[in-house]
This record gives sequence, structure tokens and C-alpha cells, in this order.
Amino acid sequence: GEDVEQSLFLSVREGDSSVINCTYTDSSSTYLYWYKQEPGAGLQLLTYIFSNMDMKQDQRLTVLLNKKDKHLSLRIADTQTGDSAIYFCAESMGSNYQLIWGAGTKLIIKP
Amino acid sequence: ETGVTQTPRHLVMGMTNKKSLKCEQHLGHNAMYWYKQSAKKPLELMFVYSLEERVENNSVPSRFSPECPNSSHLFLHLHTLQPEDSALYLCASSRTSGGANVLTFGAGSRLTVL
Repeated sequence: GEDVEQSLFLSVREGDSSVINCTYTDSSSTYLYWYKQEPGAGLQLLTYIFSNMDMKQDQRLTVLLNKKDKHLSLRIADTQTGDSAIYFCAESMGSNYQLIWGAGTKLIIKP
Repeated sequence: ETGVTQTPRHLVMGMTNKKSLKCEQHLGHNAMYWYKQSAKKPLELMFVYSLEERVENNSVPSRFSPECPNSSHLFLHLHTLQPEDSALYLCASSRTSGGANVLTFGAGSRLTVL
């Protein structure tokens, strides 16, 4: 069945770039998403990418999609303490209400 | 303010209690969702309503009973729950008009079953 996998933790120094990786199994994915969850809050959409694109940039965020390897990454430039959160990768297949979610990567910022 | 409001934020209940979780959105979205979030696990979709009709029901035990009286409100009725049902229950909404299905989430209701 469909599966989305992420590492559970990533630790980076403040000011460095963070790269959060995600792999998925369903090649029919149409959109792939990154959501952020801060402590005590719900998930908040960061960005999404259509499956026929290979890169999307939005200020400090860069999303890279390698459709051949079914690999998605989120790069956060100049990581700040406010970026501490859990980052979730998800994929959808067209108009289906079902999103397939990863378990989330907790980003830890070291001073 | 996320646009999706959930109450209560915290709930402790015994296994024989009956309680309800409430979700409200005034974003003009046409779909509403209940998700279960447990630590270090992917989000589990429980129910989806589109225009007040249930469109997804992912093999959820009958002790969870959803209700969608209108497009702005969604409830999750709980009865005779088990300790393993303790989790964060997230409500979300979206406008499904083709293209990306972007969900707006509430802050969640933290449920503890004793």
C-alpha cells in the first residue's frame, strides 16, 4: 500500500540550513505537501508542489522533488529557533480526500 | 486564529463516559475532517464530510460517532472509549475545487481516557 517515510529527528545549529527528507511509494501522487506543527498547535501548511515540478522556492524554503526516486525534501535556509517544530510530509492523489502522511520529523535547533 | 476552532482543548474521561468534541470553521470550506494523532505515528484519517455528507470512513470503531449538522460544524461523539484511544484529535477543513487539497487544521483536542 501507499507509504510515506521520514526520519523522526533532525538536529541543526542555528543559522545553518536544515534539510528534511521524505520518501513515498505511490508514483501516481499529484501533489506533495509540507506541513509544520508547533507545540500545542495544529498543523499549518508550509508549501506544496505539483508532481510535474522538480523545485519550488518560497523565501527561506526550497522544496525539491525527485519523482524518479520518489524523494521529496524541504530545505530551510538560515534556521532560526522559531523553526523548532515537527515537519510532516504528505501526498495526495488528485481529488481524493485521502492524504497519505509521514510520521513527522522533529527539528531541533542547537544554539 | 487558524480559522478552525476546536473545543474542548483538553478532555479527561472515564471509559464509561459519553462526551463530544466540537469543531467549527467559518472559512467557507466545503469539506471537514477528523484525524487522530498519536506520537511518532502518521496522522490517521477517521472521517471526512463533504457538503454535510460522509464521504470517507476509515474503519473507525463504532465508539466514535461523527455528526455534521451543517457545513460549518463537525462533532465527534465519544462513548465507552478505551485507554488506547487517548490521543490528539485534530479537525481540519478544506475547499475541494480540484487542484491541491490544502487543509486548515484546528489546534486539536487532547483526549485522555482513564
